[in-house]
Amino acid sequence: SQKIEQNSEALNIQEGKTATLTCNYTNYSPAYLQWYRQDPGRGPVFLLLIRENEKEKRKERLKVTFDTTLKQSLFHITASQPADSATYLCAYEDNFNKFYFGSGTKLNVKP
Amino acid sequence: EPEVTQTPSHQVTQMGQEVILRCVPISNHLYFYWYRQILGQKVEFLVSFYNNEISEKSEIFDDQFSVERPDGSNFTLKIRSTKLEDSAMYFCASSDSTGSYEQYFGPGTRLTVT
Repeated sequence: SQKIEQNSEALNIQEGKTATLTCNYTNYSPAYLQWYRQDPGRGPVFLLLIRENEKEKRKERLKVTFDTTLKQSLFHITASQPADSATYLCAYEDNFNKFYFGSGTKLNVKP
Repeated sequence: EPEVTQTPSHQVTQMGQEVILRCVPISNHLYFYWYRQILGQKVEFLVSFYNNEISEKSEIFDDQFSVERPDGSNFTLKIRSTKLEDSAMYFCASSDSTGSYEQYFGPGTRLTVT
């Protein structure tokens, strides 16, 4: 069965640096991947979607890449700020309307 | 900006009791979802709902669970006989199309089963 994996270790970086988070999947390439942000005790908030035929997607300081050869998506936050500190989740849709989330990577941006 | 709302924010119940968690999705959305997140663990898909019926459900969504859209605005999740392991945060989400578009999540209901 398909698995989606994220680095469970927290990522600690200095303000102003670029944060890079990884999402790996096994087996088949999903048609798209989504990235969400989750703050403690709150629901996930959608950030970006990238389709399998797109190499890269950008939104302001965010960039997502999708490499079907490596079976991997990378999520970048440039010029990171302490306010970017949160847990970032990747997700995909398996069958029609059935979704799987990764365990998330916690990002800590230090001032 | 429209948002998904959920009530109550926190529900405490005794094992074996029935609970109903309520959600009001965004009004023009067509697809509705329930997820749960046990403390410190990943967000887990429970069920999706479209056109007044279940589209997909996970292995977690057994006979103890049911969903309903009773009045065209509310979307409810019922757990018939709660177990200790049902303690979790339950999130409702909605989207205006299939998952190729973003899901809007509610703030969640924290369910504590004692």
